[in-house]
Amino acid sequence: GAVVSQHPSWVICKSGTSVKIECRSLDFQATTMFWYRQFPKQSLMLMATSNEGSKATYEQGVEKDKFLINHASLTLSTLTVTSAHPEDSSFYICSVQGSYNEQFFGPGTRLTVL
Amino acid sequence: AQSVTQPDIHITVSEGASLELRCNYSYGATPYLFWYVQSPGQGLQLLLKYFSGDTLVQGIKGFEAEFKRSQSSFNLRKPSVHWSDAAEYFCAVAMDSNYQLIWGAGTKLIIKP
Repeated sequence: GAVVSQHPSWVICKSGTSVKIECRSLDFQATTMFWYRQFPKQSLMLMATSNEGSKATYEQGVEKDKFLINHASLTLSTLTVTSAHPEDSSFYICSVQGSYNEQFFGPGTRLTVL
Repeated sequence: AQSVTQPDIHITVSEGASLELRCNYSYGATPYLFWYVQSPGQGLQLLLKYFSGDTLVQGIKGFEAEFKRSQSSFNLRKPSVHWSDAAEYFCAVAMDSNYQLIWGAGTKLIIKP
């Protein structure tokens, strides 16, 4: 399957600042990537579907102006949390859609907003 | 609305014992079914999947799962667990051509020595 990396793995920031999280598909050209959010002891919540070269599709209730997604190449998608607040603290996970539509996941990024 | 239910929040089994994790879904047609494992500090790893064909599917790490249409279930099994199997297990289904996943709440597996 595809190997997916995320950077950074852990980030702490001040309230009001913006944070960019990178998701890289290391050995697979990913037309479609997904961004998830996972709260402690809970399941994954799909935030958006990212398609290379086009605008991301956001799930209902997810603010697209707050969670900016860019998928400029087949190997990189970025999620920028703008003007982060403590309630944005969470575990953010990306995945790559494979050839048979299965998903391969990155290790996740833990965001803590002070 | 479509949903995925994992009835057990956590399960404790002894090392070497057998394991069964339950997963039920709510959908009119047959979905695409997945089991993922999430270990601390690691990404979600696909254990196995069912798209069609043989309803008993074999996965990695000695896991298997059986799709039972009549029960809308896709339970995960392993005949003998190892301490390294301690992790969070998620059942997920995809119900449309976009293959967006709907997730269960997860079951935390605890292994007793």
